[in-house]
This record gives sequence, C-alpha cells and structure tokens, in this order.
Amino acid sequence: AQTVTQSQPEMSVQEAETVTLSCTYDTSENNYYLFWYKQPPSRQMILVIRQEAYKQQNATENRFSVNFQKAAKSFSLKISDSQLGDTAMYFCAFTCAIGGTSYGKLTFGQGTILTVHP
Amino acid sequence: GAGVSQTPSNKVTEKGKYVELRCDPISGHTALYWYRQSLGQGPEFLIYFQGTGAADDSGLPNDRFFAVRPEGSVSTLKIQRTERGDSAVYLCASSQGQGYNEQFFGPGTRLTVL
Repeated sequence: AQTVTQSQPEMSVQEAETVTLSCTYDTSENNYYLFWYKQPPSRQMILVIRQEAYKQQNATENRFSVNFQKAAKSFSLKISDSQLGDTAMYFCAFTCAIGGTSYGKLTFGQGTILTVHP
Repeated sequence: GAGVSQTPSNKVTEKGKYVELRCDPISGHTALYWYRQSLGQGPEFLIYFQGTGAADDSGLPNDRFFAVRPEGSVSTLKIQRTERGDSAVYLCASSQGQGYNEQFFGPGTRLTVL
C-alpha cells in the first residue's frame, strides 16, 4: 500500500521569510508522481507544484520549489518570500500506476496548517 | 472557462435517509474523482471514473455508497441509509486524461448527518 506522511501538523512563518514543509512517502513502485496541494479556508483545493519521479531535477514554480530525494522517499516543499495569501492547509499527495492500471487516485498526507504572520 | 462545480454546497439530512451529491466536471475532462475529507484530515479516495466507467472503486467504504457517470460528464454520488459517520466534505475533481495530470477540485459538498 502507498502511504504519505506529513509530520508537521502546524507551521508558522513571518511574511517574506522562507519555510519548508516536510513529506515522506512509502511505495514499492518505481514510476509515480508527487504533488503539493494548497487548501485555503475557502476549501477549494489548488495544485501548487508537481514532480515526476523519473525526473532528477527538482520542480520549481515561482516562489515554490521542492526537494525531491527519491532514495529517501522524501518530498519537501519550500516556500520563499512567504505572503499572507500563502496561509492555508498544505497537502502532499502521491499517485502511481499499479499492475498496469492507469494512474488515478491521489493518496494524501494528513496536511500541514501553515500560517503566515505579518 | 468554468471550474468544477458541486451541488449542493451543504446538505443536512437525518440518519437513515438517502442523499445524492452532484459533480459537474470541467468540460472535456475524461477523468473524474470523488474524495471524502473529514475535519482536519487529508482527502480519502472513493472512486475514479474514466469516461462512463468506474476505473477504480476501491475506496468506497461499503455498499451504501454508489456513484454513476452515465454520459461521461456529470457524476452523482449516492449514499443510502446515511449514518452519522458519513458526515464529511465530499470533494469532486476532474482531470484531462489520467491522474498524473493536475486534478482540478470543486468546492465540495459538506454533508451533515444528524
């Protein structure tokens, strides 16, 4: 079974500073995809960043970047120049194709509540 | 274009009643997913459609839960004989092609079973 673990229930950061959210996962599959999703209080889940496991280069999207360590099964999210609008619950998620089936369901971690303080 | 929409946004029902939750995916998205999210937790997968057929229904908790997508677009999640433990936010998502593409989520339906 695939599992995703986020060990930080809550994090806080000052505006304009950098924060890193941790995520580890467990799988025996070699081909998979990892995601970070953001869920603000409005409840709408929004994709932040996506990483293909076969790519060694870490994904970057503006202020958001990941540190993907495949051997360690670690996938952390770094937010630079934090903004008040970054305040939200952040979920790490994973998908893979099992036994020749297509990629489908996302397996989510428990989430990390991030608060950005002015 | 319009995003994923879900109706109703809130549903309050009594234990034992039947409910239907509706999801309108983004036009042209072939894949549709249902997740359930309990308070303070990550979403849990329920079922995944590719077109009209359920490609993976391994997350449905029991036979009280059923979902359909008859024309490959709108989907309905049906819950029979609701129980208090069914109270949660039900999220729908859609994607172009397979699940390694971005899944676009709707705002969810908050179900409360009294």
